[in-house]
Amino acid sequence: GAGVSQSPSNKVTEKGKDVELRCDPISGHTALYWYRQSLGQGLEFLIYFQGNSAPDKSGLPSDRFSAERTGGSVSTLTIQRTQQEDSAVYLCASTLIWGRETQYFGPGTRLLVL
Amino acid sequence: AQTVTQSQPEMSVQEAETVTLSCTYDTSESDYYLFWYKQPPSRQMILVIRQEAYKQQNATENRFSVNFQKAAKSFSLKISDSQLGDAAMYFCAYERGSNYKLTFGKGTLLTVNP
Repeated sequence: GAGVSQSPSNKVTEKGKDVELRCDPISGHTALYWYRQSLGQGLEFLIYFQGNSAPDKSGLPSDRFSAERTGGSVSTLTIQRTQQEDSAVYLCASTLIWGRETQYFGPGTRLLVL
Repeated sequence: AQTVTQSQPEMSVQEAETVTLSCTYDTSESDYYLFWYKQPPSRQMILVIRQEAYKQQNATENRFSVNFQKAAKSFSLKISDSQLGDAAMYFCAYERGSNYKLTFGKGTLLTVNP
């Protein structure tokens, strides 16, 4: 693919509902990263994948957040029982291999929790 | 922990003029990378320039260049011949060598006046 794609572009949900955010990395990229961009906290690292495994989940803000990656390609970030403080832009990035590589970002998903 | 500081929340420049955005960082590592990313209203994070810490020569990309002062832990971005399309939020970011997390500054909003 031409670049990292994310869907949906925008998502409005009600407090307490679950949401799924999708990231499709650049074709052939083995590493995938999730970040969150919010007004109060700026840009924060959430989790990264090397292939289908996630060696470091320490950036996930709570156990309501989870992510998976299947087939070494598409990744899904799931937020359960959404709260208003989850409102943010969720950005995904990918690199060809892990480490020492420039991260290429998708356009993000803007999540608004009412 | 590594920190990245951008002391200028907002900057403005006249079209065709030159502007410099400041960034300082704190690290005890010797192997790391520094980046400037641009984020226009479309939300897409676009890589502007990358600097490897072991390289003494400052990176340049067309109208964009950096002043990398390793001892001072300073990494400023100079934009020459500013264009209207340069208007965006600019983020300075740090990555420890062989790591995966980008640590971002809070950003500088650049306005280009015609």
